[in-house]
Amino acid sequence: GIQVEQSPPDLILQEGANSTLRCNFSDSVNNLQWFHQNPWGQLINLFYIPSGTKQNGRLSATTVATERYSLLYISSSQTTDSGVYFCAYSGGSNYKLTFGKGTLLTVNP
Amino acid sequence: DSGVTQTPKHLITATGQRVTLRCSPRSGDLSVYWYQQSLDQGLQFLIQYYNGEERAKGNILERFSAQQFPDLHSELNLSSLELGDSALYFCASSPLGSTEAFFGQGTRLTVV
Repeated sequence: GIQVEQSPPDLILQEGANSTLRCNFSDSVNNLQWFHQNPWGQLINLFYIPSGTKQNGRLSATTVATERYSLLYISSSQTTDSGVYFCAYSGGSNYKLTFGKGTLLTVNP
Repeated sequence: DSGVTQTPKHLITATGQRVTLRCSPRSGDLSVYWYQQSLDQGLQFLIQYYNGEERAKGNILERFSAQQFPDLHSELNLSSLELGDSALYFCASSPLGSTEAFFGQGTRLTVV
């Protein structure tokens, strides 16, 4: 079946540091989304990025569909960036999302 | 705000009971998806509806059912609840012609 693997599983940073989160997927992609789940459980939609590169403030994402991976970059991290980051993917004619297990990011002041 | 509305936000109920979770998709979105997030299973797809019809099914228990109404809102019915059904239940919707999913704030179900 479809596989979505995220790395690293855990990441601890000092405020101001940069980080890169990775998502590998196993099939051709029609949707790749990055989400941030805050401590209240809300899933915040960061990027819809089945291919190419997008930037939104301190965050940017790149998906290389031919090589089946996506990267989320967080620059100048802040304590409010803490939480779990999920990559979710769908492929082929299937629109349901398969989620990775997430990266737990902790940003210390 | 994603535009997807879920009610209630929190629900506490006893084992054996039945509950209904409600989702209003973004205006004009025909597709509605339900996902479950539990500690042991992570975020998993349950079921998809498109314009009132079931389109895809995932790991949804027989005790669970869903439907989408003519006004496009959807309900997820959970019956004979067990402790293990405690989870966050998310609804998402997608616009016609797009694969992008917009998630609601979730309903946190606690079964005691």
